[in-house]
Amino acid sequence: GAGVSQSPSNKVTEKGKDVELRCDPISGHTALYWYRQSLGQGLEFLIYFQGNSAPDKSGLPSDRFSAERTGGSVSTLTIQRTQQEDSAVYLCASSLVGVETEAFFGQGTRLTVV
Amino acid sequence: KNEVEQSPQNLTAQEGEFITINCSYSVGISALHWLQQHPGGGIVSLFMLSSGKKKHGRLIATINIQEKHSSLHITASHPRDSAVYICAVRGGSEKLVFGKGTKLTVNP
Repeated sequence: GAGVSQSPSNKVTEKGKDVELRCDPISGHTALYWYRQSLGQGLEFLIYFQGNSAPDKSGLPSDRFSAERTGGSVSTLTIQRTQQEDSAVYLCASSLVGVETEAFFGQGTRLTVV
Repeated sequence: KNEVEQSPQNLTAQEGEFITINCSYSVGISALHWLQQHPGGGIVSLFMLSSGKKKHGRLIATINIQEKHSSLHITASHPRDSAVYICAVRGGSEKLVFGKGTKLTVNP
C-alpha cells in the first residue's frame, strides 16, 4: 500500500479481554515501531523491529504486552488481560534504516478498555 | 526532567502571524524530527534534521547541535496549520523519544 495501515481504527474491549492490533508497514521498510499515546500524554515508545534482528522490547510496560513481526512485514501487538490504563491510541510507524531516514506513521488504533 | 522539552505547550495565533515552536533536548542525538498531528490523530513527518536548517514551503526548521536546541517556524500562518507539533529525537538507539507536543491554534 501507499502508507502504513493499521487495523482496527477503533477498538472497545472489556477489561480482562485480550486484544490484537495490526500494522501493515510500507513495503520495503525494514524498521517497524510501535508507540502509544495516552490521553493528554506524549508519545511513548513500546517496541522496535529491524529486519531479522531481535526486537527492542525495552518500552513494553508489562508482560501483558507482546508483539510479533511475521516475514519482516506485518506486525501484531497483543495486549493480554486488558486493563483500563491500557486505553490509548496505539501508533505504528515504519522506515528505512539509517540516521537520516523519515518515519511514516499509521493513523493509529484507538483502544478503549471499559 | 524529560529528555525532550517543548515550548510553549499551547500557542494561539492570528492568521498571518509568524510562529516559533522550540525544542530542547538533554541527550546526544543522531537526528531530530518535527512531526505534525492533526485532530483525529494522524501523524505526518515534517522534517528530519541532523544539522543546520531545512525549509519546506512556509515551514522552516533549524537545529543547533552545540546548544541542543531546535526551532520550528511557520511563516504566514493559516488556520489549517492548527495542529499539535511534536519534536522527537533519535539518540543512541533507533527509537524516537518524543516531546509532549505544542498545540497550535491559528484563528482566522
